Amino acid sequence: DADVTQTPRNRITKTGKRIMLECSQTKGHDRMYWYRQDPGLGLQLIYYSFDVKDINKGEISDGYSVSRQAQAKFSLSLESAIPNQTALYFCATSDRTGPGTDTQYFGPGTRLTVL
Amino acid sequence: QKEVEQNSGPLSVPEGAIASLNCTYSDRGSQSFFWYRQYSGKSPELIMSIYSNGDKEDGRFTAQLNKASQYVSLLIRDSQPSDSATYLCAVRTGSARQLTFGSGTQLTVLP
Repeated sequence: DADVTQTPRNRITKTGKRIMLECSQTKGHDRMYWYRQDPGLGLQLIYYSFDVKDINKGEISDGYSVSRQAQAKFSLSLESAIPNQTALYFCATSDRTGPGTDTQYFGPGTRLTVL
Repeated sequence: QKEVEQNSGPLSVPEGAIASLNCTYSDRGSQSFFWYRQYSGKSPELIMSIYSNGDKEDGRFTAQLNKASQYVSLLIRDSQPSDSATYLCAVRTGSARQLTFGSGTQLTVLP
């Protein structure tokens, strides 16, 4: 089984709809991240969480919100989707301690299309 | 100036050649450096991490870090068509609590 899972894998929605993307992990990591990827732009950080009570905005948080329901679950919501939020969304996790502290492990991604 | 810069490519090399990918960063206090490989439509997967100046080798891959010149590179020896992908450089800059990614270099290995 995959260590980091994302649901749904693909989603088509309409402008103005609320949508939630979910991420779960079995790696036991404290830290979780949400990124979006647009063609040619690399990965842009939306939100990150270092534990259940520590949630922080990334470089492009406008239009998004998150919820850290448990150590293993981190959800991303688009309150009112717009077409320029069409992108590939990745969840990632990393460990809090040890030599690989900053190493991030990615989920399979969610391809979101907003019409 | 972007915090982490990569040549977007595309970079093409023949099979069996050495592919050289470069990344520069702006923050001298950067601590941790990573190379990820990403196939089209797939998630990034870690290839190498490097934390100290010098070279680090893992199989056909060598990461090179030069903090004085603020660059990190990835060499792929005996390149294979299966190495064709986008390579992302990531840096934990200064006191930041998260990674900053470059925009990636697209590599094509020609059979």
